[in-house]
Amino acid sequence: DTGVSQDPRHKITKRGQNVTFRCDPISEHNRLYWYRQTLGQGPEFLTYFQNEAQLEKSRLLSDRFSAERPKGSFSTLEIQRTEQGDSAMYLCASSPLEVTSGRGKAQFFGPGTRLTVL
Amino acid sequence: AQSVTQPDIHITVSEGASLELRCNYSYGATPYLFWYVQSPGQGLQLLLKYFSGDTLVQGIKGFEAEFKRSQSSFNLRKPSVHWSDAAEYFCAVAPYSGNTPLVFGKGTRLSVIA
Repeated sequence: DTGVSQDPRHKITKRGQNVTFRCDPISEHNRLYWYRQTLGQGPEFLTYFQNEAQLEKSRLLSDRFSAERPKGSFSTLEIQRTEQGDSAMYLCASSPLEVTSGRGKAQFFGPGTRLTVL
Repeated sequence: AQSVTQPDIHITVSEGASLELRCNYSYGATPYLFWYVQSPGQGLQLLLKYFSGDTLVQGIKGFEAEFKRSQSSFNLRKPSVHWSDAAEYFCAVAPYSGNTPLVFGKGTRLSVIA
């Protein structure tokens, strides 16, 4: 496995601009997750996919946030009209789906994209 | 709703000393339990996980954790800390399986002194 990759690693933008982040999961991992981590806190769940289907969205995910996984491989997270409160580390994770039991295994995280909104 | 409490925000230990990081969870049934480690500016690395069975689980880098149902705890331990263990440690729970959204604690920052 090559691991989960995220691009870019750092993004600085001005308030009101749109930004898009990309996540490439471990190959053949069915599930892909997005989390947000602010300074001094643990990651908080935003949304997740099984293949191309978005299964759940957190109430943290406002209307300005949208996530896609169009072909069931990589995913993008877009933030429109960024606000200073959006400054955080955005983490992506993936996990395999254990078909036999459905219990699945653990989630493996990428290095994150650090967003700074000026 | 599930919650995870890591009571210690910051712990300092001497190199070579033993370590125990505390984690308590709030959930009706036995959840799936995880410990992750995060170095500054990096993503999270999985140290170990508990799904069922033996309540003492071994992980990478010499870490182990013990699940205690009666105390709703999943404490992380290491018998001898190395300077390279200095990092942020997060306990996490998932209610149904390892591939559903995780709920994280706020983390414990570990400092290691000579």
